[in-house]
Amino acid sequence: EVHLVQSEPAVTRPGTAMKISCKVSGYTFSDYYIHWVQQAPGKGLEWMGLIDPEDGETDYSEKFQGRVAITADTSTDTVYMTLSSVRSEDTAVYYCARWVPAATSSFLQDWGQGTLVTVSS
Amino acid sequence: EIVLTQSPGTLSLSPGESATLSCTSSHSLSTSYLTWFQQRPGQAPRLLIYGTSTRATGIPDRFSGSGSGTYFTLTISRLEPEDFAVYYCQQYGGSPAITFGQGTRLEIK
Repeated sequence: EVHLVQSEPAVTRPGTAMKISCKVSGYTFSDYYIHWVQQAPGKGLEWMGLIDPEDGETDYSEKFQGRVAITADTSTDTVYMTLSSVRSEDTAVYYCARWVPAATSSFLQDWGQGTLVTVSS
Repeated sequence: EIVLTQSPGTLSLSPGESATLSCTSSHSLSTSYLTWFQQRPGQAPRLLIYGTSTRATGIPDRFSGSGSGTYFTLTISRLEPEDFAVYYCQQYGGSPAITFGQGTRLEIK
């Protein structure tokens, strides 16, 4: 069974960086892209970026470009998302999700439980 | 940027009724990459429909999706209490790679 387990909730000070982990199990880590999605309190879903764990290639949303970095550790089957220079608007639940290719489609099939990050001094 | 606009913002219905949720794209989309998610309070999004009309594993046949081009719909028949949630459409293939609609809240009347 596929699992994506994210790190615990955290409080981060404005201007610093936050780092969230997403440990996967139940499949071959390098075979599937992992995406990150932000959800501010009471708001919708916002795509942040993705990584191909096989080669570390990434693609980021322009909204977060320059502040976000997604990395993968193949020795621990864990993906990390770092958001730097955080501000109050970055207070949100962050989700990792597995991108699954099918015969004629591709989609975000499996999701982590979400990590609430609060930006506060 | 591909913008997805969902309507209505909120839909108030009673259990047993049917719901039709719309998702309109600013650009024509490939039907292969239009997806619907359900999100209940405090939970992660749950995959419902992919490729416009294919139900994900374990999703009851009360849920159906259709559409093409710039207009897509999610229909939920015979609403059950657990169906009252927020629904998002999502596309892949534009720039940015993935965008979501703003969501439709389905609430109990």
